Formats: sequence, structure tokens, C-alpha cells
Amino acid sequence: EVQLLESGGGLVQPGGSLRLSCEASGFTFSSFAMSWVRQTPGKGLEWVSTISGSGGSTYYADSVKGRFTISRDNSKNTLYLQMNSLRAEDTAVYYCATGLGATKYYFDYWGQGTLVTVSS
Amino acid sequence: EIVLTQSPATLSLSPGERATLSCRASQSVSSSLAWYQQKPGQAPRLLIYDASNRATGIPARFSGSGSGTDFTLTISSLEPEDFAVYYCQQRSSWPRTFGQGTKVEIK
Repeated sequence: EVQLLESGGGLVQPGGSLRLSCEASGFTFSSFAMSWVRQTPGKGLEWVSTISGSGGSTYYADSVKGRFTISRDNSKNTLYLQMNSLRAEDTAVYYCATGLGATKYYFDYWGQGTLVTVSS
Repeated sequence: EIVLTQSPATLSLSPGERATLSCRASQSVSSSLAWYQQKPGQAPRLLIYDASNRATGIPARFSGSGSGTDFTLTISSLEPEDFAVYYCQQRSSWPRTFGQGTKVEIK
């Protein structure tokens, strides 16, 4: 069974930093791209970032480029999102997500989400 | 960036009725489009990928159609558990983008 478990969310002041983690199980982690998708309270979904299976390719939304860094440790089956220079508008539930097989280019499996609140 | 525009914003229907949701892309995404369902307090659930393929375990009452810039999600006969918010998403190009969502509510 595929499982994705996020952690690391919390309350942080504007300008601060936070690192999110997503521990994966139930599939060959290194074979598949992984992504972060966020959802602001009461609003829609926003794709944040994607990293290839090897970690050699990364992609970012313009809204986070230069502030967030996606990475992965395939030996630990863990995905990360380092968030720096946080702003109020980064407040959201952050989900890690992936797709496998025929759905590998989409978000077929999601974690439960971790809430990041940026506020003074 | 490809902008996805969903309509209507809200659809008020009764159980048993047919729901038709629209997603229009600002430029062609070929068939690289998915539909998700989200209920309050839950992560989104993939329903349809590549415009018309049902994901694993998705009931046959859900169907997707379209290509290029115009796409439709159809729920043939609404069940009580289908009242939720639905999002489309394209994977044709970076950045990946979602539509703003259509809420299907009980009339």
C-alpha cells in the first residue's frame, strides 16, 4: 500500500524558514517523481514543486522560485521542501503527492497534508 | 503559464441527476488533463487522467472527455458521496496548473 506521511509544518514568522518532510512507503521511491502541492485555507490547489526520481531535475512555481528548494534522499525514501523567506501568502496545507505507472505524470497518491502558518 | 478556467463555479443538483463540469485551457494541453475530487478535510482524489481514463477504483459513473482546450467531466447519476469540489489540472507544460474548482452541492 502506498503511503505518504508529511511532517514539519507549524507556525513561523514572516521571513523565517521551515523544512517539510514526506516519508514514502509501498513503492520503489527512487523510480518516481515526487511533488509538493499546497492549498490555502478555503481556496484552491496550487502546484509548488516537482523533483525527478533521481533528483537530477527540479521544477518550481514562480511564486516560490528562489525561496523554496525541493530535494530527496532515496536511501531514506524521503522527500523534502526547504522553505526560506516565508511570506504570509505561503500559509497553506502542504501535500506531498506522486503518481505511479499509468498515472505517473499526475497526482494519484497524496499525503494527509501538513499545515504551515506564516504569521507574526 | 496555462490557465485553466472551470465552469460553473457552483453546480446545484439533486441526487440521481447528471452533472456536467467544464474546464477550458488557455492553450492546447492535448489530452494531458486530469480531474480530481476533494471533500472537506481530505486530500484530493484523482478521478480521471489523460482526459478520459478513469483512475483505479473510480466508479463508471465518472467519465471525462475532450482534448486541446475544452474538457468535460460528467457524473452520470449523482450519488450522495459525489457532492464535493472538483478540480482540473494540466500536465502538458511547466508550471503545472489547476483550475479554480467547481463545487457540486445538493440542491
